[in-house]
Amino acid sequence: DQQVKQNSPSLSVQEGRISILNCDYTNSMFDYFLWYKKYPAEGPTFLISISSIKDKNEDGRFTVFLNKSAKHLSLHIVPSQPGDSAVYFCAASASNNDMRFGAGTRLTVKP
Amino acid sequence: DTAVSQTPKYLVTQMGNDKSIKCEQNLGHDTMYWYKQDSKKFLKIMFSYNNKELIINETVPNRFSPKSPDKAHLNLHINSLELGDSAVYFCASSQVAGPYNEQFFGPGTRLTVL
Repeated sequence: DQQVKQNSPSLSVQEGRISILNCDYTNSMFDYFLWYKKYPAEGPTFLISISSIKDKNEDGRFTVFLNKSAKHLSLHIVPSQPGDSAVYFCAASASNNDMRFGAGTRLTVKP
Repeated sequence: DTAVSQTPKYLVTQMGNDKSIKCEQNLGHDTMYWYKQDSKKFLKIMFSYNNKELIINETVPNRFSPKSPDKAHLNLHINSLELGDSAVYFCASSQVAGPYNEQFFGPGTRLTVL
């Protein structure tokens, strides 16, 4: 029951360019969305979040966009840096405490 | 000065054994979680405890039993280990219970059942 889907297992971009990571969800009850970043041999770390009452949230180089009608969110990283190379997990939660994670997208930023 | 720590980092054991994974957080958080990352890389919640009380218990075999001696610790005991239990297990914590709080994850424990 994959309620949160990240259809691209990997993404490669050049340093300085924009990275766009996508996430789709199926459960219309989700009203809070988060992105986590994970380096090898470490646990995921929180990156940025967005509530369903907003369609955009920005934090430095990271911006998350939410399209509720399409049940789609995306994470934009600009400019991308080699240190951004990691696995990015999309997560969605609902008021019943049900948080679901996607399978992750491995981002590689080439110098 | 790790915020959420797990021990051991790696655990290799035979089928049928009983093992435990320990988790501790020094963030003063009220809520702790256990997640399983399966072979398809999905992170799935297993349990959630708030102030030592179970608040989420997803459908997991009853061979898995969480124990919270205090709100800074949430240990995971697994009885009669099976091959399918092989996965990476992550502990996490959040300041309060509820879906709108970021969670802080431990480094994970890679369990391999032979």
